[in-house]
Amino acid sequence: ILNVEQSPQSLHVQEGDSTNFTCSFPSSNFYALHWYRWETAKSPEALFVMTLNGDEKKKGRISATLNTKEGYSYLYIKGSQPEDSATYLCAPNYGGSQGNLIFGKGTKLSVKP
Amino acid sequence: DTAVSQTPKYLVTQMGNDKSIKCEQNLGHDTMYWYKQDSKKFLKIMFSYNNKELIINETVPNRFSPKSPDKAHLNLHINSLELGDSAVYFCASSHSGGTYEQYFGPGTRLTVT
Repeated sequence: ILNVEQSPQSLHVQEGDSTNFTCSFPSSNFYALHWYRWETAKSPEALFVMTLNGDEKKKGRISATLNTKEGYSYLYIKGSQPEDSATYLCAPNYGGSQGNLIFGKGTKLSVKP
Repeated sequence: DTAVSQTPKYLVTQMGNDKSIKCEQNLGHDTMYWYKQDSKKFLKIMFSYNNKELIINETVPNRFSPKSPDKAHLNLHINSLELGDSAVYFCASSHSGGTYEQYFGPGTRLTVT
């Protein structure tokens, strides 16, 4: 059973704080890593898909890095805003072009105004 | 325009019944998925369909069967519903290849009484 760990489980920050969380996954047979943002009462929305070791992706104030050799990815949020409050999920894919995503439990971020 | 839609949004039914959940996407994707959000809020893949062929079939009970009449639709049929089937079911779609982001539907909350 592939184990995808996300830490911390939850995080409370003040508006304007910068924050980051971690996704750890088995590095063997890795194919791609997905990050999703999941707001309460909504459905998951894709943030990034990364494949190469050393990949860095950025979307506005959110960025992510990938280390495929050691099996981890960091998600950074700069200057958190209340609208960033959500659960952030990472999901590696090990099956190649027909592989399914293995979702972690997520990090729940709450940003207080 | 809704990209990935599911019907119904809520479904309450009794044990032993047979029910279906419908999913449609208008994104031109060739791969569709069904996920189950379990009681611990984990998202777990159940099925995926690529070009009307089942390419991944996770170890779900055979009471669950996906049906894809065309590339834009993937319906989920559940026979002989059990209490443990109560969950939120999400449909998703993407381009094939494993490195494309998935687009999720709004979810169907199934309650079996």
